[in-house]
Amino acid sequence: EAGVTQFPSHSVIEKGQTVTLRCDPISGHDNLYWYRRVMGKEIKFLLHFVKESKQDESGMPNNRFLAERTGGTYSTLKVQPAELEDSGVYFCASSRGLAETQYFGPGTRLLVL
Amino acid sequence: DQQVKQNSPSLSVQEGRISILNCDYTNSMFDYFLWYKKYPAEGPTFLISISSIKDKNEDGRFTVFLNKSAKHLSLHIVPSQPGDSAVYFCAASAGTYKYIFGTGTRLKVLA
Repeated sequence: EAGVTQFPSHSVIEKGQTVTLRCDPISGHDNLYWYRRVMGKEIKFLLHFVKESKQDESGMPNNRFLAERTGGTYSTLKVQPAELEDSGVYFCASSRGLAETQYFGPGTRLLVL
Repeated sequence: DQQVKQNSPSLSVQEGRISILNCDYTNSMFDYFLWYKKYPAEGPTFLISISSIKDKNEDGRFTVFLNKSAKHLSLHIVPSQPGDSAVYFCAASAGTYKYIFGTGTRLKVLA
């Protein structure tokens, strides 16, 4: 069974530009989560999808961040316009059921210059 | 305010010895706790979990202990192996899908 995959693995952009991160969850996992780790700190929850519906986006930093999961399969997280403080590692995770263990992807390392 | 704390940023242990990683939490509503292991340039990998109705869970070389009165959990690795060298994250949830993570402890197992 393939794990959670994320693309790109790294992204370096300038302040003000737009970046879109993609996550492909494990097949059959209805629940998809986005997390972020900034500057070696804790991994913080951003939002949660059940299929194509956003269930909780309480962790999204501000309205420069937009997440979508059209069709309930892969998800994208767009940052527009990017700011310096958006730099960090963005992780995606998925789980089959709501109370089941979340499995993480390798992350996308975003650097905003 | 950090609800899950890992106060030791790093730990070095000799191969074959026991590694003990600690985690403290402040939210008494947390009812599910997990440990993830993370290698460089990879995502966190699930290691072991424990429900608040238990005080111990064991899986091979890995054991997690939960002390609810002290709001403390620990991960024991016995015996430690060089391949265990990684960053270990403690995480907790309060009846939801939202995991609250600690800042991680970097374990180095010396051969």
